[in-house]
Amino acid sequence: DAGVIQSPRHEVTEMGQEVTLRCKPISGHNSLFWYRQTMMRGLELLIYFNNNVPIDDSGMPEDRFSAKMPNASFSTLKIQPSEPRDSAVYFCASSLVPAGGNNEQFFGPGTRLTVL
Amino acid sequence: SQKIEQNSEALNIQEGKTATLTCNYTNYSPAYLQWYRQDPGRGPVFLLLIRENEKEKRKERLKVTFDTTLKQSLFHITASQPADSATYLCALGRNDMRFGAGTRLTVKP
Repeated sequence: DAGVIQSPRHEVTEMGQEVTLRCKPISGHNSLFWYRQTMMRGLELLIYFNNNVPIDDSGMPEDRFSAKMPNASFSTLKIQPSEPRDSAVYFCASSLVPAGGNNEQFFGPGTRLTVL
Repeated sequence: SQKIEQNSEALNIQEGKTATLTCNYTNYSPAYLQWYRQDPGRGPVFLLLIRENEKEKRKERLKVTFDTTLKQSLFHITASQPADSATYLCALGRNDMRFGAGTRLTVKP
């Protein structure tokens, strides 16, 4: 397996533009997580899905952020409109979580977003 | 509110010594605690998982302890090597995971 795949790896955009980040989890994993990492705030959980259903989106900073998981092999994180303070590295991770349990997460390489 | 604190931002040790990293938490009762390694420009990589009913876990040169009374986990790397230099993150939770800010470890030859 190629691991968790994220695209693009780098994104530079201007304030006000829409940004879409993409993630392909490891085949067979049933949970998917979106994180944001900055020097100031560290690694923050934004949202996670279990069996394609959003379970906890309390970490999504504002309504400008939205995430979807239309099927088990694809998820998107969208920011509209983007702002300079959204600049960060965004990670996607997937995991095979047994019912009521927890397991290691496999992280993608991240998308470095710069909003000018 | 829930808080996860790792002992220091940076830790410098000499090659061959044991590195000890600390993870403390408050207002939380995690079922699991995990440790990850992160190298610059890369995503975190899983190292060890320890459950709330376990006291200690080992894997090669790594050892993790979990004290739910003290609300603390200790992460040890014995016989440290320069290749162990990285940022180490603790994460705790149940179905989701919340991460600490990390400790940057530098092992000097």
